[in-house]
Amino acid sequence: AQSVTQPDIHITVSEGASLELRCNYSYGATPYLFWYVQSPGQGLQLLLKYFSGDTLVQGIKGFEAEFKRSQSSFNLRKPSVHWSDAAEYFCAVVAYKLSFGAGTTVTVRA
Amino acid sequence: GAGVSQSPSNKVTEKGKDVELRCDPISGHTALYWYRQSLGQGLEFLIYFQGNSAPDKSGLPSDRFSAERTGGSVSTLTIQRTQQEDSAVYLCASSLVGSGSYEQYFGPGTRLTVT
Repeated sequence: AQSVTQPDIHITVSEGASLELRCNYSYGATPYLFWYVQSPGQGLQLLLKYFSGDTLVQGIKGFEAEFKRSQSSFNLRKPSVHWSDAAEYFCAVVAYKLSFGAGTTVTVRA
Repeated sequence: GAGVSQSPSNKVTEKGKDVELRCDPISGHTALYWYRQSLGQGLEFLIYFQGNSAPDKSGLPSDRFSAERTGGSVSTLTIQRTQQEDSAVYLCASSLVGSGSYEQYFGPGTRLTVT
């Protein structure tokens, strides 16, 4: 069965600093992997996705993620965070239904 | 074009009452999903419709939950005899087809509060 683990429940980062959110997945075949962001009171927005090919994928809002099969990981990164990046971030793996990690809440301090 | 819409946006109901939540998927999308987001359980899959195939109900938490999709478009999630643990945000998503390679587009959700 597919599953996702996000080890970090909450991360606080200073504005302008780099951000990395961890995601580990379990899936029997080549996974389809996603990162979603949910701002307070908002719906889920897709940041980026990995299906195949280049293991470094670029997304919206300056985010990128790297797929590492050997580590079963799909970590999300941003070189310099903005206050507007404060949100909850979900990693997900999909066969047809999405299986989400528990989410990581990011707080950005000025 | 229009995205996934859900109604109502908020619903407060008394324990024991039945509720119906509606989802209008993106036109032309054959796959429709219901998820639930709650404090204790995070984001969890409930049910999946793909075209005329039998739905995957494997995520429904109890037999009080049911869903239907009429005409391959609009879907209604029904919760009978609501309990306080049903309080959550219910999210609907649709995709062009029900394959992992197709992005799921989410609606804004219905926040259900059972008092």
